[in-house]
Amino acid sequence: DAMVIQNPRYQVTQFGKPVTLSCSQTLNHNVMYWYQQKSSQAPKLLFHYYDKDFNNEADTPDNFQSRRPNTSFCFLDIRSPGLGDAAMYLCATTSGGADEAFFGQGTRLTVV
Amino acid sequence: EDKVVQSPLSLVVHEGDTVTLNCSYEVTNFRSLLWYKQEKKAPTFLFMLTSSGIEKKSGRLSSILDKKELSSILNITATQTGDSAIYLCAVSGYALNFGKGTSLLVTP
Repeated sequence: DAMVIQNPRYQVTQFGKPVTLSCSQTLNHNVMYWYQQKSSQAPKLLFHYYDKDFNNEADTPDNFQSRRPNTSFCFLDIRSPGLGDAAMYLCATTSGGADEAFFGQGTRLTVV
Repeated sequence: EDKVVQSPLSLVVHEGDTVTLNCSYEVTNFRSLLWYKQEKKAPTFLFMLTSSGIEKKSGRLSSILDKKELSSILNITATQTGDSAIYLCAVSGYALNFGKGTSLLVTP
């Protein structure tokens, strides 16, 4: 059974139209990560939560926001998507110790 | 700022060859180093390394961590075309940061 679930798997949005991607986990992990991965590139960390503590990477654009209403759910909001935001968005979780990160299947975002 | 550097960035080998992929890191509060394999989907877990000098092995793949040299290697013996993928190294410190990956192509 999938332990980290991302919805939707594919999302098409219009240029400038806000979009929300979701991630849920059944592992009760403390830490949740959002990564952006463009074609042929490694995943780039956007931000992460340790419990409710939000940690934004310095080079994450302001256009990207996140919410974590409870342990199980985390959302990525893109306020005004541009063509350059088309990518695979990956959610991952860890317990916060030295352990494996569990990934969702990703959401592939297309901006038209 | 945490850094994870992988080399080479790409590699083409023939089936049956042995390959060694490298990962070096500069991380505050090191917890673990992880290797993932990525095809056209989310990364799949291969190994997690926390202790220096202890080899982890799974079939034809093996990996070892050197905390003194701040590095790790991933070996793949008797490569097969199905090993073609991007191999990602990630280091868990303040956060989980990835290197740029090594793109491996195994030709028949």
